[in-house]
Amino acid sequence: AQTVTQSQPEMSVQEAETVTLSCTYDTSESDYYLFWYKQPPSRQMILVIRQEAYKQQNATENRFSVNFQKAAKSFSLKISDSQLGDAAMYFCAYRSARKDKIIFGKGTRLHILP
Amino acid sequence: DTGVSQDPRHKITKRGQNVTFRCDPISEHNRLYWYRQTLGQGPEFLTYFQNEAQLEKSRLLSDRFSAERPKGSFSTLEIQRTEQGDSAMYLCASSLVLSAEAFFGQGTRLTVV
Repeated sequence: AQTVTQSQPEMSVQEAETVTLSCTYDTSESDYYLFWYKQPPSRQMILVIRQEAYKQQNATENRFSVNFQKAAKSFSLKISDSQLGDAAMYFCAYRSARKDKIIFGKGTRLHILP
Repeated sequence: DTGVSQDPRHKITKRGQNVTFRCDPISEHNRLYWYRQTLGQGPEFLTYFQNEAQLEKSRLLSDRFSAERPKGSFSTLEIQRTEQGDSAMYLCASSLVLSAEAFFGQGTRLTVV
């Protein structure tokens, strides 16, 4: 069974600094998708960034980028120039290309220090 | 496009009562998912539909839980004989068949007292 592990329950970063959130996953499949979702307090979950496993190039969305290491089954999220609005729970998630359900990690709570 | 809509946003019920939640997906999204999220945890998959067909149901879902999507549009999740352990946020998400990611609603927070 596929699993997603986020080993950092909480992290803090100074405003304007860079932070990296870690994620590892376990799968025997070769074709899949990886996601980072953001869930602000009392607000809905939104997609931050996605990565297709067949793509070697790391995905980037403005201040958010990933480091996708397929062989190591690692998928970290880097947030540059952290802003107060980045404070949230961040969930790493996996979806097989053959199946439709998305599997989530337990999340990392990110605090932004002013 | 108003996004995924869930109703109600909050529900307090007494143990043993039945509750029903509604989810309206993004129009034209043919996949609809239900997840449960407890405090400090990631969303846990419950079930999903493609159009009106329920294609997968988690083994964690007891017989007290049932979900429907009768016309392939909105969906309902019913919990019968609620227990305190059912207290959680129930999230709905939708997606297109050809799309990898899902879009989430704001959830229904259930408190069983």
